[in-house]
Amino acid sequence: AQSVTQLGSHVSVSEGALVLLRCNYSSSVPPYLFWYVQYPNQGLQLLLKYTTGATLVKGINGFEAEFKKSETSFHLTKPSAHMSDAAEYFCAVSVYTGNQFYFGTGTSLTVIP
Amino acid sequence: GAVVSQHPSWVICKSGTSVKIECRSLDFQATTMFWYRQFPKQSLMLMATSNEGSKATYEQGVEKDKFLINHASLTLSTLTVTSAHPEDSSFYICSASALLRGGGETQYFGPGTRLLVL
Repeated sequence: AQSVTQLGSHVSVSEGALVLLRCNYSSSVPPYLFWYVQYPNQGLQLLLKYTTGATLVKGINGFEAEFKKSETSFHLTKPSAHMSDAAEYFCAVSVYTGNQFYFGTGTSLTVIP
Repeated sequence: GAVVSQHPSWVICKSGTSVKIECRSLDFQATTMFWYRQFPKQSLMLMATSNEGSKATYEQGVEKDKFLINHASLTLSTLTVTSAHPEDSSFYICSASALLRGGGETQYFGPGTRLLVL
């Protein structure tokens, strides 16, 4: 079975500060891990994904995430927050990219000017 | 990139009526589509997995007679909320699996349909 835990339902950072959104997963098989962003009243946009290979994954808009198997984590980071980064972020796990996704409860990111 | 559309984008209906939501893969064939629902300020919960030409597989706790899913073609899946009630008001999102040229699959999410039942 697969599951995802996102620590912190709300995160606030100042514009220009480091963004760190936490995600821990549970999976009985090697996981595929994803981060999605959702703006108000919109669908999901893929930020980045880890399937195999390099554990540090770079995505769009300057985001990156590192897969740490020993810590069962896939935290999302961005060196410098921008106002446009304010949104809801979801971490998800799957056993395969074409299979069903299990989503975390989401983290709402607020960027303070 | 591949696009998944949903229609309508939002709908308001009276309690007791049925509502059909369409999910289309616009430039690829999707053998598998997934339906999720999202309550306000909550995460997405998988409702069912839909495979073209076969019956959908529903997640535990999801009433298959209330949420009818039809995957009649490789580019279209429909979700019909029958006899809708206010508690069915939610954001419904579909996703579609696409085969990649280099092998493997990826998923694309639709923009969602917001349903409000009065």
